Amino acid sequence: DAGVTQSPTHLIKTRGQHVTLRCSPISGHKSVSWYQQVLGQGPQFIFQYYEKEERGRGNFPDRFSARQFPNYSSELNVNALLLGDSALYLCASSHGQVYSNEQFFGPGTRLTVL
Amino acid sequence: QQQVKQSPQSLIVQKGGISIINCAYENTAFDYFPWYQQFPGKGPALLIAIRPDVSEKKEGRFTISFNKSAKQFSLHIMDSQPGDSATYFCAVTSGTYKYIFGTGTRLKVLA
Repeated sequence: DAGVTQSPTHLIKTRGQHVTLRCSPISGHKSVSWYQQVLGQGPQFIFQYYEKEERGRGNFPDRFSARQFPNYSSELNVNALLLGDSALYLCASSHGQVYSNEQFFGPGTRLTVL
Repeated sequence: QQQVKQSPQSLIVQKGGISIINCAYENTAFDYFPWYQQFPGKGPALLIAIRPDVSEKKEGRFTISFNKSAKQFSLHIMDSQPGDSATYFCAVTSGTYKYIFGTGTRLKVLA
């Protein structure tokens, strides 16, 4: 079975631009979570979606938005990019149910903002 | 406020030795405690996890010890190998919600 897939692998943008990152969860998983990992730090929670509804949001500005599609894939959008948005963006897939909340991470998208 | 504190920041162990990484949390509502292994340029990979109804869980060379009263849990890597050299993160969560990660421990196992 395929694991969590993310695209693109790498991305270079300039300040002020917009970016869209994509994630496909493990087959059968209905929940997708997004995390930002700055170099040398642990992942920080951005969003969680379950059955196409936002279940939770971390402490990130409104420039960050996301959505989940009927096939449970997800997009993370970031507007008005800042240098500080440079990071590894991770998508995690889970069943999304109590007592089955293991999260499995994809390889990430490395975003560089110049 | 840091909800989970991880130590040490870095660790060097001889091949065949035991690697021990510790995490402490504050919120007693947390009910799931996973450990992740991350290699450079890769996403974190789930290594082993524990729930608070048990004090220890072992999978191969990896063991989690859990102390509910002290609000601490630790990862023990037995017979450490050079291939174990990576960054390890503990995490905490409650229900199905977000994971809160520790700051990471960079482990280097010397051959």
